Amino acid sequence: DVKVTQSSRYLVKRTGEKVFLECVQDMDHENMFWYRQDPGLGLRLIYFSYDVKMKEKGDIPEGYSVSREKKERFSLILESASTNQTSMYLCASSLTSMSEQFFGPGTRLTVL
Amino acid sequence: DQQVKQNSPSLSVQEGRISILNCDYTNSMFDYFLWYKKYPAEGPTFLISISSIKDKNEDGRFTVFLNKSAKHLSLHIVPSQPGDSAVYFCAARIYNQGGKLIFGQGTELSVKP
Repeated sequence: DVKVTQSSRYLVKRTGEKVFLECVQDMDHENMFWYRQDPGLGLRLIYFSYDVKMKEKGDIPEGYSVSREKKERFSLILESASTNQTSMYLCASSLTSMSEQFFGPGTRLTVL
Repeated sequence: DQQVKQNSPSLSVQEGRISILNCDYTNSMFDYFLWYKKYPAEGPTFLISISSIKDKNEDGRFTVFLNKSAKHLSLHIVPSQPGDSAVYFCAARIYNQGGKLIFGQGTELSVKP
């Protein structure tokens, strides 16, 4: 069964902290994605990766970075968290760029 | 600019009736469209898709229609069931852009018994 897991369901951080969100998939998928979901805006792509150590900016990469050192793991990093980064963060993976994306359960991040 | 738009934030339908969820897009380079369903506290799950070379795709109670000239697609659910109550996201993809999806804002469907 397809499985995408995210390290935390809920996270509370303070402004200025460095935040790591981890995502792991067990399906040997090539592609991995990070989105954020906000009311009235839907899902917006932050970064994606089509191979180990490869990354591409999505539509809203500002304030974020990513790391993909192993095929199964894709990390989202907030170098200095700000209140406008309070959001639901969703990780997804797909076998190829033309395949459907499978999503993790999401991490609700609150930055105080 | 919102390239994929779902203009109805919510929709309420009686059980057994048809639910129609709409989606408009602006970019004529989109070659593939998908619908995802999301329950609270869960990630979105893939529901149904359609290639831009088709105008209809059916899977059980779910049918997606694509009108390229109007840049419009719709998801029909017949008959609607209470378990269909969820947020539905329309998404679009451009060929050869690494699988990047552009999502609409979502429509919350409520199916009342």
